[in-house]
Amino acid sequence: DGGITQSPKYLFRKEGQNVTLSCEQNLNHDAMYWYRQDPGQGLRLIYYSQIVNDFQKGDIAEGYSVSREKKESFPLTVTSAQKNPTAFYLCASSPEGASLAYTEAFFGQGTRLTVV
Amino acid sequence: GQNIDQPTEMTATEGAIVQINCTYQTSGFNGLFWYQQHAGEAPTFLSYNVLDGLEEKGRFSSFLSRSKGYSYLLLKELQMKDSASYLCAVVDSNYQLIWGAGTKLIIKP
Repeated sequence: DGGITQSPKYLFRKEGQNVTLSCEQNLNHDAMYWYRQDPGQGLRLIYYSQIVNDFQKGDIAEGYSVSREKKESFPLTVTSAQKNPTAFYLCASSPEGASLAYTEAFFGQGTRLTVV
Repeated sequence: GQNIDQPTEMTATEGAIVQINCTYQTSGFNGLFWYQQHAGEAPTFLSYNVLDGLEEKGRFSSFLSRSKGYSYLLLKELQMKDSASYLCAVVDSNYQLIWGAGTKLIIKP
């Protein structure tokens, strides 16, 4: 079955450590996105990528990094520079190369990161 | 600034009808999405409106008034599985998605 897989579902890390969240899709989608979701707030865009080897910062990119070496994969690294990393992270992809503005997004199941 | 307003939480009874409102103030408008999200899970697409009027899809309908900056999601014949958060998202003039905080819908027997 085609879909987006995020792993792990729950992740605990000590403060000051970098951590990488995995996102893999087998939908042959060009565009992939990382969002952060906090209670009482809308989804906020961290990074997005429309093609392999290219990505752009979203609204809250500080303290995060990404790579897009393969079409299927878009890992997100939460660095120690991120001041408040505890959150629910969602990865998404869309079938159109342009933007989620034109089509529905397909989301992964999310990773809940807790930094202690 | 850009703003999407939705009620934080609503409660309804199984079998009833509920309307979830979304008002927006954005720099331009190029469409509005509704998504459903069960706790701890991925959002799933419900509807997309770009023209004024009502779009019906089974038990769910979505309405848009661009002149009023207003949309609603109407859920009929409520079932317990409809307990979830409902997210409104607007596409602005730069074709960026602006997300509301979501409305948590609680269904009671």
